[in-house]
Amino acid sequence: GAGVSQSPRYKVAKRGQDVALRCDPISGHVSLFWYQQALGQGPEFLTYFQNEAQLDKSGLPSDRFFAERPEGSVSTLKIQRTQQEDSAVYLCASSLVPRGQGGTDTQYFGPGTRLTVL
Amino acid sequence: KNEVEQSPQNLTAQEGEFITINCSYSVGISALHWLQQHPGGGIVSLFMLSSGKKKHGRLIATINIQEKHSSLHITASHPRDSAVYICAVRSDNTDKLIFGTGTRLQVFP
Repeated sequence: GAGVSQSPRYKVAKRGQDVALRCDPISGHVSLFWYQQALGQGPEFLTYFQNEAQLDKSGLPSDRFFAERPEGSVSTLKIQRTQQEDSAVYLCASSLVPRGQGGTDTQYFGPGTRLTVL
Repeated sequence: KNEVEQSPQNLTAQEGEFITINCSYSVGISALHWLQQHPGGGIVSLFMLSSGKKKHGRLIATINIQEKHSSLHITASHPRDSAVYICAVRSDNTDKLIFGTGTRLQVFP
């Protein structure tokens, strides 16, 4: 079956532009995560959705970052007024059932969107 | 100090060698993941474990909860094993993962 997909795979933006990154999780997966991975570093948590509810956004680095998942499936990460330090790979992951509901917590990762801000 | 530390950061090996990558963590966890990341960004989950040992093909993962330490072993390494291997822990109270910085492995023929 289809895995997690992300689009675009590559995005180049001029400083100050707004960007929108899309994540299509595996169908039926309840949990959705966004991570940011700077060059040479491990991913860092940005935000977490359970269905359409954003339960944790503690990792969003500033109020320029906004994420939504209005219908509990596709999610969009929006970055306003991009800065050079926003350059990174943005990874999306989904898992079937949240912790505490007896399901697996294996997260399935998408290929990522590499954002370069000039 | 990072909550998840990996060693070594870089590792080179000859084909056929036995590889060990280590991960130490400082938080209470419900599970530990070993992930593989190839150039281009795609991440694949190799193991999820909360105790003991798991084996899949030439890969073996172990965890010692008391010592807050895990190891990933690769037996009979092959050039196609070349990738970044990332340790990630799921803390006790949340669903999010905390990642190590990864170990870059290169296996030469």
